[in-house]
Amino acid sequence: KQEVTQIPAALSVPEGENLVLNCSFTDSAIYNLQWFRQDPGKGLTSLLLIQSSQREQTSGRLNASLDKSSGRSTLYIAASQPGDSATYLCAAQGGSEKLVFGKGMKLTVNP
Amino acid sequence: NAGVTQTPKFQVLKTGQSMTLQCAQDMNHEYMSWYRQDPGMGLRLIHYSVGAGITDQGEVPNGYNVSRSTTEDFPLRLLSAAPSQTSVYFCASSSPRGKAEAFFGQGTRLTVV
Repeated sequence: KQEVTQIPAALSVPEGENLVLNCSFTDSAIYNLQWFRQDPGKGLTSLLLIQSSQREQTSGRLNASLDKSSGRSTLYIAASQPGDSATYLCAAQGGSEKLVFGKGMKLTVNP
Repeated sequence: NAGVTQTPKFQVLKTGQSMTLQCAQDMNHEYMSWYRQDPGMGLRLIHYSVGAGITDQGEVPNGYNVSRSTTEDFPLRLLSAAPSQTSVYFCASSSPRGKAEAFFGQGTRLTVV
């Protein structure tokens, strides 16, 4: 059974820092790994999707990497801004086509 | 382009009442799913569908029913609401066959008293 872990559960940083968010998964037989952002009281917004054949994806200040052999994915946020404050979730999709989510990491970027 | 639309946004039920949470997508996605999100538990899969007429159970299916008569709609039915079903419910869709970016609705916040 796939298990996805995100540590730490919360992070508070000053504006301008480069951030590393971690995601680990137990079953390396995945189709893809997806990162989401969730604002309070809102739904999930897809940030980046990395297919199993890829090593990384980039969108603006965001870069996500995937290492299937070690069961890890990392989301890098460059030059963090207060508007980046949100909960970030990662989800692994395997052969059953189901998304298995981590519990998320609440990020606060202080001005 | 509306994406994934969920209704209602908020609902309060009494224990034992039944209701249907609506989910519709306009992206012609094959794969649709329902999750519930609870503090400390994360998102857990309730039911999912890989196409019209095909549904299957997820991690926490008890107390919920689904059907998929069209590609666009995937309603979630609570048969007899219980306080343990107080949660935020999210519907999601993706294509092809789930191996692509998932799109989520804005959620339904359900309280059972």
